[in-house]
Amino acid sequence: DQQVKQNSPSLSVQEGRISILNCDYTNSMFDYFLWYKKYPAEGPTFLISISSIKDKNEDGRFTVFLNKSAKHLSLHIVPSQPGDSAVYFCAASGETSGSRLTFGEGTQLTVNP
Amino acid sequence: DAGVTQSPTHLIKTRGQQVTLRCSPKSGHDTVSWYQQALGQGPQFIFQYYEEEERQRGNFPDRFSGHQFPNYSSELNVNALLLGDSALYLCASSALGSYGYTFGSGTRLTVV
Repeated sequence: DQQVKQNSPSLSVQEGRISILNCDYTNSMFDYFLWYKKYPAEGPTFLISISSIKDKNEDGRFTVFLNKSAKHLSLHIVPSQPGDSAVYFCAASGETSGSRLTFGEGTQLTVNP
Repeated sequence: DAGVTQSPTHLIKTRGQQVTLRCSPKSGHDTVSWYQQALGQGPQFIFQYYEEEERQRGNFPDRFSGHQFPNYSSELNVNALLLGDSALYLCASSALGSYGYTFGSGTRLTVV
């Protein structure tokens, strides 16, 4: 039962353009969502998060959008840089699950110079 | 300030053997969670320890067990290893109830 899904295994964009990574969830009890970035041979590092009481959160080049009715969130990276090339994981949690995270499968982002 | 430290970084074991993985949390963190990441998949929650007690557990068999020590460090033990246990095992530390996880670089376990 995959409660968090990232349907695009990979995404390739040109440097300077926008990267949009998508994530869908099925569990309506999730109320907190996070994005992590992972480089090879390193652990995931926190990027940005959003609470279900908001529909947008922005941090520099990174913006996360949440559409609760559609159970969908997206991460926008503008402008994309070659150093952004990594695997991006969407994760979700909720009051009923404590602080444990449920992750999606990940999307490999490649930003071409 | 050291982050989360995991050891060993790589490990090869034979089916049926037992393995112990270790984790030292980030300074100031009192909660340790363990995740299993199979190839091509996202991390899956195994369990979480706080005050030396297992606080939450994911959908993993009893072959997976853990321990937390008074200094907050933790061990993950896996008995009767199966080929399917081959994965990257990630340790994440946080303050209790916080989503501010810091992940270690993981231990790559290969079962042959």
